[in-house]
Amino acid sequence: DAGVIQSPRHEVTEMGQEVTLRCKPISGHNSLFWYRQTMMRGLELLIYFNNNVPIDDSGMPEDRFSAKMPNASFSTLKIQPSEPRDSAVYFCASSSRHGNYGYTFGSGTRLTVV
Amino acid sequence: GESVGLHLPTLSVQEGDNSIINCAYSNSASDYFIWYKQESGKGPQFIIDIRSNMDKRQGQRVTVLLNKTVKHLSLQIAATQPGDSAVYFCAAITGGGNKLTFGTGTQLKVEL
Repeated sequence: DAGVIQSPRHEVTEMGQEVTLRCKPISGHNSLFWYRQTMMRGLELLIYFNNNVPIDDSGMPEDRFSAKMPNASFSTLKIQPSEPRDSAVYFCASSSRHGNYGYTFGSGTRLTVV
Repeated sequence: GESVGLHLPTLSVQEGDNSIINCAYSNSASDYFIWYKQESGKGPQFIIDIRSNMDKRQGQRVTVLLNKTVKHLSLQIAATQPGDSAVYFCAAITGGGNKLTFGTGTQLKVEL
């Protein structure tokens, strides 16, 4: 299994531009999570999906952030317009209800907004 | 909700010594706990988990202890190696859901 795959690994963009982060969860996992990691706030859950349905988006900071999961093998996190304070590492993770509930994380996307 | 915190931001140990990383949680309804290891430039990696009906679980060189009375858990790493240098997070799930709340992390530094 290739694990959770995120792209791009690094993204540098100018303030005001739209940014799209992508995630492919592990095949068979039915839950997908988007986290943001910064030095100040640590790992924050932004949104998670069960069976492609958004369950809890209370961590999404503002309307500039949106996430979709059109099918079981793909999810996007979009920021429009981006701001410098959005600079962080964004992680996607997936999990299954079978066995342990431990998430498997991707390698993350390091976003820098200048 | 749940807040999860660690007692120390940085822990330095000598190679070969045992390491103990501590974590406190706030919600007595938390029923599943996980320790993660994060190396620089990588995502968190699952180490070991424990359910609230247990007080101890062992893995390869790692042991997790859970004290529900004081809402505290710890990660013990035996014979710490340079490859153990990383940030360690505890995380908790509350109420049978699958939403993990992470602590702030402890940086483990292994000195040769």
